[in-house]
Amino acid sequence: GNSVTQMEGPVTLSEEAFLTINCTYTATGYPSLFWYVQYPGEGLQLLLKATKADDKGSNKGFEATYRKETTSFHLEKGSVQVSDSAVYFCALITDQGGKLIFGQGTELSVKP
Amino acid sequence: KAGVTQTPRYLIKTRGQQVTLSCSPISGHRSVSWYQQTPGQGLQFLFEYFSETQRNKGNFPGRFSGRQFSNSRSEMNVSTLELGDSALYLCASSPMPGGSYNEQFFGPGTRLTVL
Repeated sequence: GNSVTQMEGPVTLSEEAFLTINCTYTATGYPSLFWYVQYPGEGLQLLLKATKADDKGSNKGFEATYRKETTSFHLEKGSVQVSDSAVYFCALITDQGGKLIFGQGTELSVKP
Repeated sequence: KAGVTQTPRYLIKTRGQQVTLSCSPISGHRSVSWYQQTPGQGLQFLFEYFSETQRNKGNFPGRFSGRQFSNSRSEMNVSTLELGDSALYLCASSPMPGGSYNEQFFGPGTRLTVL
């Protein structure tokens, strides 16, 4: 079946450090891939997405590239801020079904 | 444009009771999906509605049900509550159902606590 695996947290970084959160997926067909972010006490916000192989999604300094050959969609940011502290979810959706399939989430804590 | 709204934001119930949660999608959005978020199981899909019809259903017992009204608002109901039903219930809306190109916008969630 379809699934998403992302690196376990929590990840603790100092402000201005480089961030990578790994995400790999298993899916039939050609899924679209997403990164969502959840701030404390809130719902999910879409951070970025990519709908086909080699697409790069980007938003607010975050980037992720859809790598079909490695079935990966790693999230990166060159310089994190304290305000980036949140839980990040990698997710996929296939053309066959309307449900998002999420990874387990990675908690990021950025210290000043 | 107002976002997805969910009511109530917090609920406390006891085992055996039933509960109804409400979701109002973004204006013009016709598809509504529900997800359960727990520390142990993460985010799991419950169901998806479009044009008052359930299109997809996740792997949850029959105690979990939902419906959608003609104005696209949706409700989900959980009967005979169990302690394990304690969770954050998230509603998401999109312009159309399913597929890769219909971005889902999430509400703030309803935090259900079962005692």
